[in-house]
Amino acid sequence: GAGVSQTPSNKVTEKGKYVELRCDPISGHTALYWYRQSLGQGPEFLIYFQGTGAADDSGLPNDRFFAVRPEGSVSTLKIQRTERGDSAVYLCASSLTPPGHLNEKLFFGSGTQLSVL
Amino acid sequence: DAKTTQPPSMDCAEGRAANLPCNHSTISGNEYVYWYRQIHSQGPQYIIHGLKNNETNEMASLIITEDRKSSTLILPHATLRDTAVYYCIVIRASGGSNYKLTFGKGTLLTVNP
Repeated sequence: GAGVSQTPSNKVTEKGKYVELRCDPISGHTALYWYRQSLGQGPEFLIYFQGTGAADDSGLPNDRFFAVRPEGSVSTLKIQRTERGDSAVYLCASSLTPPGHLNEKLFFGSGTQLSVL
Repeated sequence: DAKTTQPPSMDCAEGRAANLPCNHSTISGNEYVYWYRQIHSQGPQYIIHGLKNNETNEMASLIITEDRKSSTLILPHATLRDTAVYYCIVIRASGGSNYKLTFGKGTLLTVNP
């Protein structure tokens, strides 16, 4: 595709439910990132994948959050036992060059607005 | 990574130059200055980055002071579509966890007709 695609664009769920958020990165991009953005704040780092493996998951807030990228392309962010405080926009980004490259640019999707009632 | 300070909001008239300041007084010699922007309901978009020299591309110009403690992003002819939150981010050139962009709250630029 032309850009990073995230589905669904909006997700409303009830407290305690399980949700999955999907990210389709730009074709050929090996690096994939998840960020979370609360209202009025800048995006905050959650997890970074290089290929299929999670190279850094230090931003995941707790063990209810988990992400996978089994074939090195599409990624799914999974949230168990959702809480109202999980409500936010979840952003996915991908990059062609690995982190550390001088000209690395991240390309972001439009995000998934998660609302936990 | 060095912390950045930006004004919370700015206004600019359509067609005029928008000059967005960023203070990064603790920047290290191997840290780059990156600018991203986020239009409402969209993800952040890369604009430009630089180390020491001034940079220009099709979107904007980046002016970095000689001591590198501050920089200015210049949109030469702002349009209504440039209304967005602009983030100034300092990133180490290599090594460590330089892929973790620290966005802060940015500057909300409103371009007025």
